[in-house]
Amino acid sequence: DGGITQSPKYLFRKEGQNVTLSCEQNLNHDAMYWYRQDPGQGLRLIYYSQIVNDFQKGDIAEGYSVSREKKESFPLTVTSAQKNPTAFYLCASTPLHRGFYDGYTFGSGTRLTVV
Amino acid sequence: KQEVTQIPAALSVPEGENLVLNCSFTDSAIYNLQWFRQDPGKGLTSLLLIQSSQREQTSGRLNASLDKSSGRSTLYIAASQPGDSATYLCAVYDSGAGSYQLTFGKGTKLSVIP
Repeated sequence: DGGITQSPKYLFRKEGQNVTLSCEQNLNHDAMYWYRQDPGQGLRLIYYSQIVNDFQKGDIAEGYSVSREKKESFPLTVTSAQKNPTAFYLCASTPLHRGFYDGYTFGSGTRLTVV
Repeated sequence: KQEVTQIPAALSVPEGENLVLNCSFTDSAIYNLQWFRQDPGKGLTSLLLIQSSQREQTSGRLNASLDKSSGRSTLYIAASQPGDSATYLCAVYDSGAGSYQLTFGKGTKLSVIP
């Protein structure tokens, strides 16, 4: 079955460490997105990519970095510059048809905790 | 900048009751609107997608309507069941700020009491 796979499900980070969250999709979708979800804040866009080797900052990109070397993969690195990284991270994808699309598909999420 | 508001933030109903969840958005120039369900600690599951040219979509006991001119959407759940307990998120897709993005509301947490 097609879908989005996020790993790991749970991740613990020590102060000062960089960690990388994996997101892989086999839907042949063009665009991929990373969102952060905090209690009471809703989902906020971190980064998105509409094509391989290109990506754009979202609303809260500071302290995060991404790469898009393959269409199927969009890993997110949470750097030590991110002061409050504890949150639930969601990856999503969608085919890119302007003005008409089949909707976003989301992964099952990664819960990151700073210890 | 697009803003999406969902009211109420939480709702508790007895099993079997019909209910309506509300979603409003500030910029009516949207391409589509999508309703999602999120169970605790899980990702988002798409429920219904309404294109901007459509007025409503139905799937089983769910019916979503869209009124672009007034900036409103409703999700109607018929004959609610305890398994419907979850957080329901509304999101609009538009080209605000020059790029195509999905903007989310903060959700309505639904509890269906057996």
